[in-house]
Amino acid sequence: TQLLEQSPQFLSIQEGENLTVYCNSSSVFSSLQWYRQEPGEGPVLLVTVVTGGEVKKLKRLTFQFGDARKDSSLHITAAQPGDTGLYLCAPPMNYGGSQGNLIFGKGTKLSVKP
Amino acid sequence: GAVVSQHPSWVICKSGTSVKIECRSLDFQATTMFWYRQFPKQSLMLMATSNEGSKATYEQGVEKDKFLINHASLTLSTLTVTSAHPEDSSFYICSAPRGPNSYEQYFGPGTRLTVT
Repeated sequence: TQLLEQSPQFLSIQEGENLTVYCNSSSVFSSLQWYRQEPGEGPVLLVTVVTGGEVKKLKRLTFQFGDARKDSSLHITAAQPGDTGLYLCAPPMNYGGSQGNLIFGKGTKLSVKP
Repeated sequence: GAVVSQHPSWVICKSGTSVKIECRSLDFQATTMFWYRQFPKQSLMLMATSNEGSKATYEQGVEKDKFLINHASLTLSTLTVTSAHPEDSSFYICSAPRGPNSYEQYFGPGTRLTVT
């Protein structure tokens, strides 16, 4: 089983602040996905990063995949209350030859206060 | 709109009874679906892979006789929690790949199970 570490575990900030959350592993991943989950709902895909060193932007969110494809970061600029949620990183994990299932980190629970 | 639905969204049952949770893909076919369990303040843990036309594949530590999975059609997978106990109370979430060779998942909205 691949070990995924996400940090920080909890983050509470004021609206307008910037923040970065991290996803680290000792394993090399072919790709990595970031999801956001709001309370009582299923996760929603934000982005998939595939290439080492890749940077993807989604409005105020910037995702980076490490050069060695072992780690990733998510930076949010000028956070808003709507960004509140659990941010999960998830690389794919082949199982028994079938593709598609994911392994999830413990997530970073972000709270943005107005 | 939602592309994966779950029913019911929440359920309360008595200890010892069985509960069935449905996961449907809307407007697309899913030969594979995944079932996850999420305890409060924890992340998602993969329970099993549901395969249309064949037996489900269970993760280590998940009792296949307790968590029965049936992939009845290309758009429907069901998870039945048999002889439920309070420790089975959790948030159950299913997902389906976005495409035949895609790792990206559409997740259902989840089902909150409370066993009293």
